[in-house]
Amino acid sequence: NAGVTQTPKFQVLKTGQSMTLQCAQDMNHEYMSWYRQDPGMGLRLIHYSVGAGITDQGEVPNGYNVSRSTTEDFPLRLLSAAPSQTSVYFCASSYSGLVRSAYNEQFFGPGTRLTVL
Amino acid sequence: AQTVTQSQPEMSVQEAETVTLSCTYDTSENNYYLFWYKQPPSRQMILVIRQEAYKQQNATENRFSVNFQKAAKSFSLKISDSQLGDTAMYFCAFMTGGSQGNLIFGKGTKLSVKP
Repeated sequence: NAGVTQTPKFQVLKTGQSMTLQCAQDMNHEYMSWYRQDPGMGLRLIHYSVGAGITDQGEVPNGYNVSRSTTEDFPLRLLSAAPSQTSVYFCASSYSGLVRSAYNEQFFGPGTRLTVL
Repeated sequence: AQTVTQSQPEMSVQEAETVTLSCTYDTSENNYYLFWYKQPPSRQMILVIRQEAYKQQNATENRFSVNFQKAAKSFSLKISDSQLGDTAMYFCAFMTGGSQGNLIFGKGTKLSVKP
């Protein structure tokens, strides 16, 4: 199993450009999520999905769109990049979309470092 | 809303010694879970240890153990026999049970293990 994969690993954008961060998992996990990590801020939840066709907003959703057409993929779209979106982005997944437990562990991808100039 | 506070932005410890990282949280929920994640310089997030709130017994994983004080809403991580490979950012995280829980992270503690 590849686990959770993210592409690209690094990206530089200009203000106003759009792009999609890709996230895929091969563990048949129902739950997938996107976080951003900023210095001194920990990880903050952007959007999450409890199954194909179902998405919801997290703590910091503005400026980002998501969709979940398949169980495996959960892309994050920046429609018009802004310097405030410079961050490291992590995708994570876990087995169950509806049952939260300490053993419903979230597996994290390696992250994407995005710089918006 | 739930919050997680890590009051120590940076800590250092000598190799082979013991260090404790602090974490407090605020919630009105009774069913929840607590976690410590490690993020080494590689940036990969690694689950270190987990605790279910309904369990009174503190979780342990090899050199890592927690001191869970539910009434005080405190969840500290103790690392025994510190190793150079323990150098990393450590994040405390909270998750409510049921169907609506998502991970809420503290701001992290940067731990340096010195030879």
